[in-house]
Amino acid sequence: EAQVTQNPRYLITVTGKKLTVTCSQNMNHEYMSWYRQDPGLGLRQIYYSMNVEVTDKGDVPEGYKVSRKEKRNFPLILESPSPNQTSLYFCASSRGEGGDEQFFGPGTRLTVL
Amino acid sequence: GNSVTQMEGPVTLSEEAFLTINCTYTATGYPSLFWYVQYPGEGLQLLLKATKADDKGSNKGFEATYRKETTSFHLEKGSVQVSDSAVYFCALTARNTNAGKSTFGDGTTLTVKP
Repeated sequence: EAQVTQNPRYLITVTGKKLTVTCSQNMNHEYMSWYRQDPGLGLRQIYYSMNVEVTDKGDVPEGYKVSRKEKRNFPLILESPSPNQTSLYFCASSRGEGGDEQFFGPGTRLTVL
Repeated sequence: GNSVTQMEGPVTLSEEAFLTINCTYTATGYPSLFWYVQYPGEGLQLLLKATKADDKGSNKGFEATYRKETTSFHLEKGSVQVSDSAVYFCALTARNTNAGKSTFGDGTTLTVKP
Protein backbone atom coordinates (compact mmCIF):
# COMPACT_ATOMS: atom_id res chain seq x y z
CA GLU A 1 0.00 0.00 0.00
CA ALA A 2 1.32 3.41 -1.02
CA GLN A 3 1.71 5.51 2.07
CA VAL A 4 3.58 8.08 4.11
CA THR A 5 4.35 6.99 7.65
CA GLN A 6 5.32 9.14 10.60
CA ASN A 7 6.62 8.19 14.02
CA PRO A 8 5.79 8.77 16.73
CA ARG A 9 2.13 9.70 16.34
CA TYR A 10 2.01 11.34 19.74
CA LEU A 11 4.83 12.77 21.81
CA ILE A 12 4.99 14.73 25.04
CA THR A 13 8.40 16.10 25.91
CA VAL A 14 10.08 18.85 27.90
CA THR A 15 11.78 22.04 26.83
CA GLY A 16 15.30 21.53 25.52
CA LYS A 17 15.23 17.75 25.04
CA LYS A 18 16.26 16.96 21.48
CA LEU A 19 13.82 14.91 19.47
CA THR A 20 13.39 13.49 15.98
CA VAL A 21 10.16 12.79 14.15
CA THR A 22 10.67 10.28 11.37
CA CYS A 23 8.94 10.31 8.00
CA SER A 24 9.12 7.61 5.37
CA GLN A 25 7.40 7.12 2.01
CA ASN A 26 7.26 4.01 -0.19
CA MET A 27 6.24 5.67 -3.46
CA ASN A 28 9.72 6.56 -4.71
CA HIS A 29 8.76 10.24 -4.59
CA GLU A 30 11.35 12.91 -5.28
CA TYR A 31 9.69 15.60 -3.19
CA MET A 32 9.08 15.59 0.56
CA SER A 33 7.94 18.29 2.93
CA TRP A 34 7.14 19.04 6.56
CA TYR A 35 4.24 21.19 7.77
CA ARG A 36 2.86 22.28 11.07
CA GLN A 37 -0.84 22.83 11.64
CA ASP A 38 -2.02 25.26 14.27
CA PRO A 39 -5.59 26.42 14.98
CA GLY A 40 -6.51 29.41 12.85
CA LEU A 41 -3.20 29.32 10.97
CA GLY A 42 -3.77 26.48 8.55
CA LEU A 43 -0.73 24.51 7.42
CA ARG A 44 2.62 26.23 7.30
CA GLN A 45 5.57 24.72 5.50
CA ILE A 46 8.68 24.17 7.60
CA TYR A 47 11.15 22.61 5.15
CA TYR A 48 10.95 20.82 1.86
CA SER A 49 13.26 18.67 -0.23
CA MET A 50 13.22 18.35 -4.00
CA ASN A 51 15.63 15.41 -3.97
CA VAL A 52 18.31 13.61 -1.97
CA GLU A 53 20.73 16.05 -0.33
CA VAL A 54 18.61 19.03 -1.48
CA THR A 55 16.59 20.86 1.16
CA ASP A 56 15.06 24.35 1.30
CA LYS A 57 13.41 26.46 3.93
CA GLY A 58 9.68 26.91 3.97
CA ASP A 59 7.88 29.71 5.76
CA VAL A 60 8.62 28.71 9.38
CA PRO A 61 12.02 26.93 9.52
CA GLU A 62 13.30 28.48 12.75
CA GLY A 63 14.02 25.89 15.44
CA TYR A 64 13.91 22.92 13.05
CA LYS A 65 16.42 20.91 11.08
CA VAL A 66 15.96 18.31 8.37
CA SER A 67 18.11 15.96 6.36
CA ARG A 68 17.54 13.96 3.19
CA LYS A 69 20.23 11.32 2.98
CA GLU A 70 18.05 8.81 1.18
CA LYS A 71 15.03 9.20 -1.01
CA ARG A 72 12.46 7.54 1.20
CA ASN A 73 13.23 9.25 4.53
CA PHE A 74 12.95 12.87 5.64
CA PRO A 75 13.33 13.23 9.42
CA LEU A 76 12.42 16.42 11.26
CA ILE A 77 14.78 17.33 14.08
CA LEU A 78 14.08 19.68 16.97
CA GLU A 79 17.44 20.31 18.60
CA SER A 80 16.04 22.24 21.57
CA PRO A 81 12.25 22.15 21.56
CA SER A 82 10.29 25.01 23.07
CA PRO A 83 6.61 25.27 24.04
CA ASN A 84 5.83 27.33 20.93
CA GLN A 85 6.67 24.24 18.87
CA THR A 86 3.69 22.42 20.36
CA SER A 87 1.70 21.60 17.26
CA LEU A 88 0.39 18.96 14.88
CA TYR A 89 3.05 18.03 12.33
CA PHE A 90 2.48 16.51 8.91
CA CYS A 91 4.95 15.02 6.48
CA ALA A 92 4.05 14.86 2.81
CA SER A 93 5.55 13.58 -0.43
CA SER A 94 4.92 13.93 -4.15
CA ARG A 95 6.50 13.00 -7.45
CA GLY A 96 8.10 16.41 -7.45
CA GLU A 97 6.57 18.18 -10.37
CA GLY A 98 4.69 21.32 -9.45
CA GLY A 99 1.38 19.98 -10.65
CA ASP A 100 1.43 16.84 -8.58
CA GLU A 101 -0.63 16.26 -5.48
CA GLN A 102 1.03 15.75 -2.14
CA PHE A 103 0.37 12.59 -0.13
CA PHE A 104 0.19 13.27 3.59
CA GLY A 105 1.13 11.18 6.57
CA PRO A 106 -1.28 10.73 9.50
CA GLY A 107 0.31 13.45 11.60
CA THR A 108 2.38 13.69 14.80
CA ARG A 109 0.92 15.56 17.73
CA LEU A 110 3.78 17.09 19.70
CA THR A 111 3.45 18.73 23.10
CA VAL A 112 6.45 20.54 24.58
CA LEU A 113 6.11 21.33 28.29
CA GLY B 1 5.90 35.87 -1.02
CA ASN B 2 2.95 33.71 -2.05
CA SER B 3 -0.28 33.70 -0.11
CA VAL B 4 -3.67 31.97 -0.09
CA THR B 5 -6.80 33.50 1.41
CA GLN B 6 -9.87 31.38 2.12
CA MET B 7 -13.27 32.53 3.20
CA GLU B 8 -13.55 32.38 6.92
CA GLY B 9 -15.49 29.62 8.56
CA PRO B 10 -17.01 27.74 10.04
CA VAL B 11 -19.70 27.07 7.48
CA THR B 12 -22.86 25.22 8.46
CA LEU B 13 -25.29 23.98 5.80
CA SER B 14 -28.28 21.71 5.58
CA GLU B 15 -28.05 18.55 3.53
CA GLU B 16 -28.57 19.15 -0.23
CA ALA B 17 -27.64 22.82 0.05
CA PHE B 18 -25.26 24.50 -2.40
CA LEU B 19 -21.70 25.03 -1.22
CA THR B 20 -19.20 27.70 -2.17
CA ILE B 21 -15.89 28.20 -0.39
CA ASN B 22 -13.97 31.15 -1.77
CA CYS B 23 -10.22 31.02 -2.32
CA THR B 24 -7.97 33.71 -3.76
CA TYR B 25 -4.22 33.67 -4.12
CA THR B 26 -1.19 35.81 -4.83
CA ALA B 27 1.82 34.23 -6.43
CA THR B 28 4.63 34.90 -8.84
CA GLY B 29 4.61 32.87 -11.99
CA TYR B 30 2.00 30.19 -12.64
CA PRO B 31 1.40 28.02 -9.62
CA SER B 32 -0.59 24.81 -9.46
CA LEU B 33 -3.73 25.06 -7.34
CA PHE B 34 -5.24 22.43 -5.08
CA TRP B 35 -8.11 21.76 -2.73
CA TYR B 36 -7.37 19.29 0.06
CA VAL B 37 -9.84 17.86 2.56
CA GLN B 38 -9.12 16.78 6.13
CA TYR B 39 -11.52 14.50 7.99
CA PRO B 40 -11.38 14.43 11.79
CA GLY B 41 -8.22 12.81 13.12
CA GLU B 42 -6.73 12.25 9.68
CA GLY B 43 -4.12 13.77 7.41
CA LEU B 44 -4.99 15.82 4.35
CA GLN B 45 -6.00 14.19 1.10
CA LEU B 46 -6.34 15.69 -2.33
CA LEU B 47 -9.86 16.64 -3.37
CA LEU B 48 -9.07 18.23 -6.75
CA LYS B 49 -6.41 20.21 -8.58
CA ALA B 50 -5.78 22.47 -11.57
CA THR B 51 -2.42 23.18 -13.11
CA LYS B 52 -3.09 26.00 -15.58
CA ALA B 53 -5.45 28.87 -16.24
CA ASP B 54 -9.06 27.91 -17.08
CA ASP B 55 -8.52 24.30 -15.99
CA LYS B 56 -11.43 22.87 -14.04
CA GLY B 57 -10.72 20.30 -11.36
CA SER B 58 -13.53 18.02 -10.25
CA ASN B 59 -14.04 15.09 -7.92
CA LYS B 60 -16.93 13.62 -5.90
CA GLY B 61 -19.28 16.36 -7.11
CA PHE B 62 -16.89 19.17 -6.11
CA GLU B 63 -15.55 21.57 -8.74
CA ALA B 64 -13.13 24.48 -8.91
CA THR B 65 -11.86 26.50 -11.86
CA TYR B 66 -8.41 28.13 -12.07
CA ARG B 67 -9.19 31.79 -12.79
CA LYS B 68 -5.98 33.66 -13.50
CA GLU B 69 -7.70 36.98 -14.19
CA THR B 70 -9.27 37.04 -10.72
CA THR B 71 -6.55 34.90 -9.07
CA SER B 72 -9.24 32.65 -7.64
CA PHE B 73 -9.98 28.96 -7.22
CA HIS B 74 -13.39 28.79 -5.55
CA LEU B 75 -14.71 25.39 -4.46
CA GLU B 76 -18.34 24.52 -5.28
CA LYS B 77 -20.69 21.61 -4.83
CA GLY B 78 -24.29 21.56 -5.91
CA SER B 79 -25.70 19.37 -3.15
CA VAL B 80 -23.74 18.64 0.00
CA GLN B 81 -24.10 15.54 2.15
CA VAL B 82 -23.50 14.94 5.84
CA SER B 83 -20.40 12.95 4.86
CA ASP B 84 -18.87 16.13 3.34
CA SER B 85 -18.39 17.54 6.83
CA ALA B 86 -14.65 18.21 7.09
CA VAL B 87 -12.01 20.93 6.92
CA TYR B 88 -11.17 22.16 3.42
CA PHE B 89 -7.83 23.72 2.50
CA CYS B 90 -6.99 25.69 -0.61
CA ALA B 91 -3.30 25.48 -1.53
CA LEU B 92 -0.80 26.40 -4.20
CA THR B 93 2.59 25.01 -5.14
CA ALA B 94 5.09 27.23 -6.94
CA ARG B 95 6.35 25.85 -10.24
CA ASN B 96 9.05 28.26 -11.33
CA THR B 97 10.46 30.68 -8.80
CA ASN B 98 10.85 28.75 -5.53
CA ALA B 99 9.61 25.57 -7.21
CA GLY B 100 8.29 23.20 -4.57
CA LYS B 101 7.34 25.85 -2.05
CA SER B 102 3.75 25.26 -0.94
CA THR B 103 1.33 27.68 0.64
CA PHE B 104 -1.95 26.71 2.29
CA GLY B 105 -4.97 28.71 3.32
CA ASP B 106 -6.18 28.68 6.91
CA GLY B 107 -8.81 26.05 6.22
CA THR B 108 -12.60 26.24 6.26
CA THR B 109 -14.59 23.94 8.53
CA LEU B 110 -17.77 22.68 6.90
CA THR B 111 -20.55 21.08 8.92
CA VAL B 112 -23.51 19.60 7.07
CA LYS B 113 -26.64 18.89 9.13
CA PRO B 114 -29.26 16.30 8.16
